[in-house]
Amino acid sequence: AQSVTQPDIHITVSEGASLELRCNYSYGATPYLFWYVQSPGQGLQLLLKYFSGDTLVQGIKGFEAEFKRSQSSFNLRKPSVHWSDAAEYFCAVVTLVQGAQKLVFGQGTRLTINP
Amino acid sequence: DAGVTQSPTHLIKTRGQHVTLRCSPISGHKSVSWYQQVLGQGPQFIFQYYEKEERGRGNFPDRFSARQFPNYSSELNVNALLLGDSALYLCASSLVAGAPATNEKLFFGSGTQLSVL
Repeated sequence: AQSVTQPDIHITVSEGASLELRCNYSYGATPYLFWYVQSPGQGLQLLLKYFSGDTLVQGIKGFEAEFKRSQSSFNLRKPSVHWSDAAEYFCAVVTLVQGAQKLVFGQGTRLTINP
Repeated sequence: DAGVTQSPTHLIKTRGQHVTLRCSPISGHKSVSWYQQVLGQGPQFIFQYYEKEERGRGNFPDRFSARQFPNYSSELNVNALLLGDSALYLCASSLVAGAPATNEKLFFGSGTQLSVL
């Protein structure tokens, strides 16, 4: 079954530092991959997605992610984090269940920003 | 335009009770999906409805049921509540059933926080 793994449960970085959140997927064909962000008390907001084509994907809020088939990875990056980036980040892959497209999420990485 | 709205925002129930959660999709959206997010985990797919028909069901017991109304709003019902049903329940809507695997986005509500005591 398709799945994603986020190895880091919690990451702390200083404001202005660079960020990389890891995501590894398990999927036989080319996966449809997503990164979502969830702030406390909020729903999920889509940061970016990869379907095919250019392996470096640009998203909102200055985030980007790179699809690496050889490493089965889709890591999220940001060159310089802001205090407002503190949130929970989820990597997800689309899979098919009974004809419905569903998202399979990783367990999430909680990002804390030090001032 | 209003986003996906869910009600209530918070709910406290006791074991064995029944609960109904409600979701109003974005205007014009015909597909609604439900996800359960247990504390410390990623959301898990429960149901998808499109044009009032169930399109898919996740690995949840029959205590969980849902329906979609002619105005495309949806209800999630959970019977015989267990402590393990305590979670944030998220509703998501989209124009088509094929989202998110298309260029159509999936829009999430802020969720209903259910606590079972």
